[in-house]
Amino acid sequence: DTAVSQTPKYLVTQMGNDKSIKCEQNLGHDTMYWYKQDSKKFLKIMFSYNNKELIINETVPNRFSPKSPDKAHLNLHINSLELGDSAVYFCASSQVSSSYEQYFGPGTRLTVT
Amino acid sequence: QQQVKQSPQSLIVQKGGISIINCAYENTAFDYFPWYQQFPGKGPALLIAIRPDVSEKKEGRFTISFNKSAKQFSLHIMDSQPGDSATYFCAADKAAGNKLTFGGGTRVLVKP
Repeated sequence: DTAVSQTPKYLVTQMGNDKSIKCEQNLGHDTMYWYKQDSKKFLKIMFSYNNKELIINETVPNRFSPKSPDKAHLNLHINSLELGDSAVYFCASSQVSSSYEQYFGPGTRLTVT
Repeated sequence: QQQVKQSPQSLIVQKGGISIINCAYENTAFDYFPWYQQFPGKGPALLIAIRPDVSEKKEGRFTISFNKSAKQFSLHIMDSQPGDSATYFCAADKAAGNKLTFGGGTRVLVKP
């Protein structure tokens, strides 16, 4: 049973398109995150949701919009894709009381051409 | 600015050797220091974590050493194995901060 799952695993699209990445966790966690990992492997948090409420919104272009329909799901919608958006996007989850212990999904490799 | 600095960027070690990765942090409000391991094509996974009131924590072949006064901590991988080849990230977390700050990562290659 996959603890944190993401779809799709690969996403290739052209500049200017809009795309979504979905994430689901079955760990019963109350907090979910989106991270961006660039080509140099640097991991940067983008958003964090606790019980469907946005609690962290880092300096991310407003073309990126997260949405949490319930505690187990956190989706990421990206409008007007740019070349610089190419990266691996990871979803993660944790309990708010132990945010150091995060469980990551397998990642979505986004390539913008 | 990078609040958690990690070195080296890459490391090659012979099988059976010791891998050492160092991290330094700025913010004294950090109170939890985890290490994550990431294999190619996979998401990071928690390996071991330490709180600043402990100077050392050992789990199997992995040991964290923590120096609170120097604001530094390190990961030692004893008897390194080819299966340990991965990218390792140190991180720091604030109580109720809901935000892990990661170091830049160290790519470790263990040669047979």
